[in-house]
Amino acid sequence: DSGVTQTPKHLITATGQRVTLRCSPRSGDLSVYWYQQSLDQGLQFLIQYYNGEERAKGNILERFSAQQFPDLHSELNLSSLELGDSALYFCASSGRTGGGTEAFFGQGTRLTVV
Amino acid sequence: AQSVAQPEDQVNVAEGNPLTVKCTYSVSGNPYLFWYVQYPNRGLQFLLKYITGDNLVKGSYGFEAEFNKSQTSFHLKKPSALVSDSALYFCAVRDDTGRRALTFGSGTRLQVQP
Repeated sequence: DSGVTQTPKHLITATGQRVTLRCSPRSGDLSVYWYQQSLDQGLQFLIQYYNGEERAKGNILERFSAQQFPDLHSELNLSSLELGDSALYFCASSGRTGGGTEAFFGQGTRLTVV
Repeated sequence: AQSVAQPEDQVNVAEGNPLTVKCTYSVSGNPYLFWYVQYPNRGLQFLLKYITGDNLVKGSYGFEAEFNKSQTSFHLKKPSALVSDSALYFCAVRDDTGRRALTFGSGTRLQVQP
């Protein structure tokens, strides 16, 4: 168990809809990262937050947004969903004081858009 | 920009034989290098990392990796493969210049035959 919790584990929704994925980082970790894993694109970095502030942005679509709350949990919002958004979405965390440089991953949310 | 190449989509090895999974990287500044393993329907698990120091790093489950700066490589190795090592392996790199998200390779599927 990595200590990173993602909910829900599975999500099936229709095109055009909006969903919210939730991530609780490991206790003490200040950074949260979101990744998208699809068969044709591999693991793509979407966005990073550090202690509530956006730190880095990757290949995140404008239809997608994220935030990190004061209790350090994070949410990834996906809107106007398309079939191509079907993928496994991972959250990872790192950055606790005295911790290592590696990121720890949750088990992912599998999103299916129909 | 930073990138990782894993030239082999799949590596097949017999149980008890040594295994190598290849990784080369490109990054500005000093590299932070990582290996992760993904089992079916699971998140990524951290195996090992290179930050600085000894070029041979040891990690979980008997895996080790060799950092070669001149060849910009970080190959994953194990002296004696187990059937339970069969999984998807990802190499990742992070720079030390401020953008702290990991960039992943495309993954290599390791198949260990009994």
